[in-house]
Amino acid sequence: SQTIHQWPATLVQPVGSPLSLECTVEGTSNPNLYWYRQAAGRGLQLLFYSVGIGQISSEVPQNLSASRPQDRQFILSSKKLLLSDSGFYLCAWRIQGSPYGYTFGSGTRLTVV
Amino acid sequence: GENVEQHPSTLSVQEGDSAVIKCTYSDSASNYFPWYKQELGKGPQLIIDIRSNVGEKKDQRIAVTLNKTAKHFSLHITETQPEDSAVYFCAASIQGGSEKLVFGKGMKLTVNP
Repeated sequence: SQTIHQWPATLVQPVGSPLSLECTVEGTSNPNLYWYRQAAGRGLQLLFYSVGIGQISSEVPQNLSASRPQDRQFILSSKKLLLSDSGFYLCAWRIQGSPYGYTFGSGTRLTVV
Repeated sequence: GENVEQHPSTLSVQEGDSAVIKCTYSDSASNYFPWYKQELGKGPQLIIDIRSNVGEKKDQRIAVTLNKTAKHFSLHITETQPEDSAVYFCAASIQGGSEKLVFGKGMKLTVNP
């Protein structure tokens, strides 16, 4: 069966420090991968998506970047965190054209101090 | 691009009552409409979805309706239980390609015992 792993679960980082969040999917090949951010009490904002290795599309210009070095690995990064980067980061996947919706990871709670 | 509006933002009901959440979308090309349930501190979980070739879909106490002409869709929960308390999100996307989901802002449902 397919599973999605996201880590770490929580992270407290100082302003100006770098960031690396990792997401991996098991049990499937060539998934579409997505990074969403959820600010406190708000909806889900799409940050990046990828339809294949090395293919990254950005939805919102910001302080973050994403990479997909392997088929089932999606990484969210920042060189210098801002206070406004705090939030709940969610990775999701789906198989293009499948009848099923997204499957989300368990999320990373990032607090920038 | 697609815009999804969701209302109400909060709803409190008594156990056993019904709850209805309404969403509208703007892009007539959208053809896939999932609903997600998010419990505190967790990633959203898909609870039901509907495609544009179907007007209604039911799964036990949950049903979703879609009106393509009016571009709105609704989630109906009958015989609510305390464990239904969560934040519910509607979303819309176009199947094929990136299949990125655009989410509504969410509705916090509280079911009082």
